[in-house]
Amino acid sequence: DQQVKQNSPSLSVQEGRISILNCDYTNSMFDYFLWYKKYPAEGPTFLISISSIKDKNEDGRFTVFLNKSAKHLSLHIVPSQPGDSAVYFCAATANFGNEKLTFGTGTRLTIIP
Amino acid sequence: EAGVVQSPRYKIIEKKQPVAFWCNPISGHNTLYWYRQNLGQGPELLIRYENEEAVDDSQLPKDRFSAERLKGVDSTLKIQPAELGDSAVYLCASSSPSKGSMLNEQFFGPGTRLTVL
Repeated sequence: DQQVKQNSPSLSVQEGRISILNCDYTNSMFDYFLWYKKYPAEGPTFLISISSIKDKNEDGRFTVFLNKSAKHLSLHIVPSQPGDSAVYFCAATANFGNEKLTFGTGTRLTIIP
Repeated sequence: EAGVVQSPRYKIIEKKQPVAFWCNPISGHNTLYWYRQNLGQGPELLIRYENEEAVDDSQLPKDRFSAERLKGVDSTLKIQPAELGDSAVYLCASSSPSKGSMLNEQFFGPGTRLTVL
């Protein structure tokens, strides 16, 4: 039972344009959501997060949007840069971070120069 | 600040052999996690430690997997005997409560890629 789903295994975006990565979840107990970025041969690194009490969180070029009624969140990167090419994992947790992280399967983002 | 250190980075063994992975978390981080990441999947939690106590090991296959965190610092994850399906990347992460944050941000090591032949 995949509780966190990233339905797009890969995404290619032109440099300078907006990258939009999507994530859906099924567990209504999830109340905190995170995005991790992973380069080859490295561990995932934390990128940005959002609590269920918000619908938007912004950090520089990265913005995460949360639609609780649709159980859907998205990560927007604008403008996209070549260094953004990586695998992006969506993760969710309950009890505002005091429970384990449940990860999606990841989306490989490729930024085309 | 040094990150999470894991060794070895790569390990190739034959099935039925034992294998062990080592993790040194970020200094001062009380919480340590072991994850397994299968090809094309996201990381899945195996076990979580708070200091030296395993507080969540519900996903650890206890018939062949074992873990320890003596003295609440370094940790070792062992598989004995290994099976073909154990081929995966084993990730260690650590975290510590942050003031003003609802979430203990987890810092991941580079992982150990295990191949069982």
